[in-house]
Amino acid sequence: EIVLTQSPGTLSLSPGERATLSCRASQSISSDFVSWYQQKPGRAPRLLIYAASSRATGIPDRFSGSGSETDFTLTISRLEPEDFAVYYCQQYGSSQITFGQGTRLEIK
Amino acid sequence: QVQLQESGPGLVKPSQTLSLTCTVSGGSTRSGSYYWTWIRQPAGKGLEWIGRMYTSGTINYNPSLESRVTISVDTSKNQFSLNVTSVTAADTAVYYCARGARNSLYAMDVWGQGTTVTVSS
Repeated sequence: EIVLTQSPGTLSLSPGERATLSCRASQSISSDFVSWYQQKPGRAPRLLIYAASSRATGIPDRFSGSGSETDFTLTISRLEPEDFAVYYCQQYGSSQITFGQGTRLEIK
Repeated sequence: QVQLQESGPGLVKPSQTLSLTCTVSGGSTRSGSYYWTWIRQPAGKGLEWIGRMYTSGTINYNPSLESRVTISVDTSKNQFSLNVTSVTAADTAVYYCARGARNSLYAMDVWGQGTTVTVSS
């Protein structure tokens, strides 16, 4: 099983600041099969990024993804109030799908 | 616009079987461009993938749940289902159905709103 470890667990920032969220895999994985999701309280997750760096339909360009092999990053260039949520990375390249434990992005 | 909607009992007794259905509207479960999947989330915790089924019939399960889980697709009703046998309190969670789409390289691009299942006597 591929384990995904996200850091930090909680990130405290102010609107307008830049957020950098990390996701590290326990073994090398294809960037084609790494995605990021945003989840707000009481809501289903929403796909933000697939294939490590492709934005899903309707996702603002302040969200970007990068990375390869074992290290992947989600960057939010300028935080808007609606961006404060929990973010999960996911890998789905093998027959097993796994999620990271999540990073909570909170307002400072 | 494709929408997914979970349905099923909100309360299940320990040792019984949890059965949920996800109804797909605005799209077809027959399409070979997708897989259909279930994910759950205990209160206050992260996401746990349960399993997925491709229209071709290929099925993958989370190894930690595989002995108790069955996923099936009924293309005539445009639905897919989840059964979890021998449930315990540890199976209490919000259960989501979702779609993995070829045009997003099989990321989960559409999700249901989720349904809460409590295991309790």
